[in-house]
Amino acid sequence: DVKVTQSSRYLVKRTGEKVFLECVQDMDHENMFWYRQDPGLGLRLIYFSYDVKMKEKGDIPEGYSVSREKKERFSLILESASTNQTSMYLCATKGGRAPSVEQYFGPGTRLTVT
Amino acid sequence: GDSVTQMEGPVTLSEEAFLTINCTYTATGYPSLFWYVQYPGEGLQLLLKATKADDKGSNKGFEATYRKETTSFHLEKGSVQVSDSAVYFCALRLGGSTLGRLYFGRGTQLTVWP
Repeated sequence: DVKVTQSSRYLVKRTGEKVFLECVQDMDHENMFWYRQDPGLGLRLIYFSYDVKMKEKGDIPEGYSVSREKKERFSLILESASTNQTSMYLCATKGGRAPSVEQYFGPGTRLTVT
Repeated sequence: GDSVTQMEGPVTLSEEAFLTINCTYTATGYPSLFWYVQYPGEGLQLLLKATKADDKGSNKGFEATYRKETTSFHLEKGSVQVSDSAVYFCALRLGGSTLGRLYFGRGTQLTVWP
């Protein structure tokens, strides 16, 4: 079974803090993704990575950065947290190159910025 | 651009009722289509998928048929249970995409009452 773990289920941070969200997978998947989930908006892609040290912007990268130093770990960084970044953050992974292969999701981190 | 439109919720049904959640898409080429489900407090998990026109995906009593002529992938279940209460997301991946990003609909909340 694929396992995708996220470092925290719940986080509370203050405005202006630097925030790190960690995602670790154990299946040697090449592709990793960060989404945020908001009511009525579904999932929106923030960043993704298709290899170590490689990253691509998704649809809403502003205010975020990412790091992938090792294949199994993909970090999302909020350089200076703001209240509009309060959300559920979901990490996902995908192995293989076929478009039909599913993505596997972590349990999510609910971040509150006060 | 490429997108997914799904029926807005919330949907509230009695146990054993028939369920349909509509999903239509806009995409060039031949995308792969997915339904993901998110149970309370959890990440997303794949419910079913279809990779070419007229394919039917099925799992746990749920079905969806890939209709290219109507660009649709509606989710159906003949008799819902309380345990089906969750948020359902329709998603697509472009046919030529090896990087694997998914485009999600906004999600439909389903509540089933006993």
